[in-house]
Amino acid sequence: GENVEQHPSTLSVQEGDSAVIKCTYSDSASNYFPWYKQELGKRPQLIIDIRSNVGEKKDQRIAVTLNKTAKHFSLHITETQPEDSAVYFCAARTMNYGGATNKLIFGTGTLLAVQP
Amino acid sequence: DAGVIQSPRHEVTEMGQEVTLRCKPISGHDYLFWYRQTMMRGLELLIYFNNNVPIDDSGMPEDRFSAKMPNASFSTLKIQPSEPRDSAVYFCASSPQGPHSYEQYFGPGTRLTVT
Repeated sequence: GENVEQHPSTLSVQEGDSAVIKCTYSDSASNYFPWYKQELGKRPQLIIDIRSNVGEKKDQRIAVTLNKTAKHFSLHITETQPEDSAVYFCAARTMNYGGATNKLIFGTGTLLAVQP
Repeated sequence: DAGVIQSPRHEVTEMGQEVTLRCKPISGHDYLFWYRQTMMRGLELLIYFNNNVPIDDSGMPEDRFSAKMPNASFSTLKIQPSEPRDSAVYFCASSPQGPHSYEQYFGPGTRLTVT
């Protein structure tokens, strides 16, 4: 089955710097890769996603890149702000031999701390 | 839309007791997911439904866990009997059918503590 690895587990940056979080996946048939932000005590919230037919997607200060050949995708946050501090999860939508599923496999999370 | 609704938000119970967690998905969403989140195991999918039918329950830890979806607007996750290792935050999420069906929206979660 699908396996998603996420690095780093913790990341500390200065306000205004960029942050990059990387994930790798094992199932080459996976076709959807969302990123979730989870603040302490809150629910995971979808912040950006990318599908396998696209190499890059951007939304204001956040962007996601996908390298299908290498089976990895990354989250880029520019001009970080203290309110970006949270745990970020990547995920991959698994496929099975009978067709698509709607199942997400999540990475283990990255705790991002933005120092003012 | 009110988003995914879960109840209760917090539950404290004693070992051996039955626990029932409830979820109301976003209206019009055809997929419903139950997740468990712990520090040790991260975010795990327990089971998901499509059009009220269980599709994949391979993440349900053992027979003590059961889930139902009697109609499109309500689902329950039951633990009987509960054990301390079941302590976790349980999230419900829903997703629409169609070309945007990949996006999952989470409820606020139920924090379960079993003593």
